[in-house]
Amino acid sequence: AQTIHQWPVAEIKAVGSPLSLGCTIKGKSSPNLYWYWQATGGTLQQLFYSITVGQVESVVQLNLSASRPKDDQFILSTEKLLLSHSGFYLCAWSPDRVRQDTQYFGPGTRLLVL
Amino acid sequence: GDQVEQSPSALSLHEGTGSALRCNFTTTMRAVQWFQQNSRGSLINLFYLASGTKENGRLKSTFNSKESYSTLHIRDAQLEDSGTYFCAANTEGADRLTFGKGTQLIIQP
Repeated sequence: AQTIHQWPVAEIKAVGSPLSLGCTIKGKSSPNLYWYWQATGGTLQQLFYSITVGQVESVVQLNLSASRPKDDQFILSTEKLLLSHSGFYLCAWSPDRVRQDTQYFGPGTRLLVL
Repeated sequence: GDQVEQSPSALSLHEGTGSALRCNFTTTMRAVQWFQQNSRGSLINLFYLASGTKENGRLKSTFNSKESYSTLHIRDAQLEDSGTYFCAANTEGADRLTFGKGTQLIIQP
């Protein structure tokens, strides 16, 4: 069975500080990977997706960047946090890009920027 | 404008009753997914539909791509059904999944 893990569970960071959020998928080779952001009480907005190692497509940047250093790993980062980065970050995976199959979400990381 | 219009934004039901949530699409969508977001924030997959109707327990969902809408029916609501329900859809050939604004569902005893 596939499992998706996100780290950290939660973060409190200062404005202007760097950030790195991680996501790993176990039990599935070459998954499609996605990052989403959800403002408190809001809807989910897709930020990035990746279909293979080293390749990342931006949907909405929000002054963030993403990388896929390994087949099973997706990283979201920024060098300088803004207050507007606060929210809930979710990583997701899907098994087959051609079929655009269902997406499965991780447990998320809560970020508070002060 | 929004490609995915979800309604209602909030809904309160008594245990044992039922209702329907709806998403209208302003552009042709290839498939739709429905999720339940619980109090911890986890998104639980409910349905994936490219067309037609699927049923799972007390939930049933329909996707009509020709008329550009999808519905999620809940019957015999239970307290654990409380949460925020989202529909999400993608257009043909697109890797972008667009979410509706969600329906906050409260089940009262």
